[in-house]
Amino acid sequence: AQSVTQLGSHVSVSEGALVLLRCNYSSSVPPYLFWYVQYPNQGLQLLLKYTTGATLVKGINGFEAEFKKSETSFHLTKPSAHMSDAAEYFCAVSDRAAGNKLTFGGGTRVLVKP
Amino acid sequence: DADVTQTPRNRITKTGKRIMLECSQTKGHDRMYWYRQDPGLGLRLIYYSFDVKDINKGEISDGYSVSRQAQAKFSLSLESAIPNQTALYFCATSARTGGGYTFGSGTRLTVV
Repeated sequence: AQSVTQLGSHVSVSEGALVLLRCNYSSSVPPYLFWYVQYPNQGLQLLLKYTTGATLVKGINGFEAEFKKSETSFHLTKPSAHMSDAAEYFCAVSDRAAGNKLTFGGGTRVLVKP
Repeated sequence: DADVTQTPRNRITKTGKRIMLECSQTKGHDRMYWYRQDPGLGLRLIYYSFDVKDINKGEISDGYSVSRQAQAKFSLSLESAIPNQTALYFCATSARTGGGYTFGSGTRLTVV
């Protein structure tokens, strides 16, 4: 079965600083990987996804993530944090052996300090 | 209108009551899901449906039931609500190709 681990349930960054959110997964088959963002009182919105091809994936709002098979990781980064990036972020892996159901990590809440 | 609509947005109910959460979609997706979100636990799958005649249990289905009334509608019921079912519930849809989910805005349920 798939599993996802997000290191750090809370991350605090200064405005303008690098945002780095860590995600490691386990999967018995080549995975599809996703990052979602949840703003307060809203549903989850897709930030970016990796399916096949280029391992560096660019998403919305300046975020990007790199699939590293050898490290079973899919870390999310943004070079310069903005106040509007304050939200909760979820990494997810698709169970391609079971109809592409998503398994989510526990989430990382990002606080951006002025 | 939103692609995935959940009703109600907020609900407070008493222990032992039956409650239904509704989800409808305009994405034309075959697949629909119900998740619950609890702080620190992420999203956990309750039930999912790959088409109208297909219903499957997720990892935490006890105490819940579902009905897929049409391709566009998927409802979640709590037959006898208990306080530890207090959570944020999300409906989601996806296409067969696995490109990710589209989420509703959630239903915040409080069982007192």
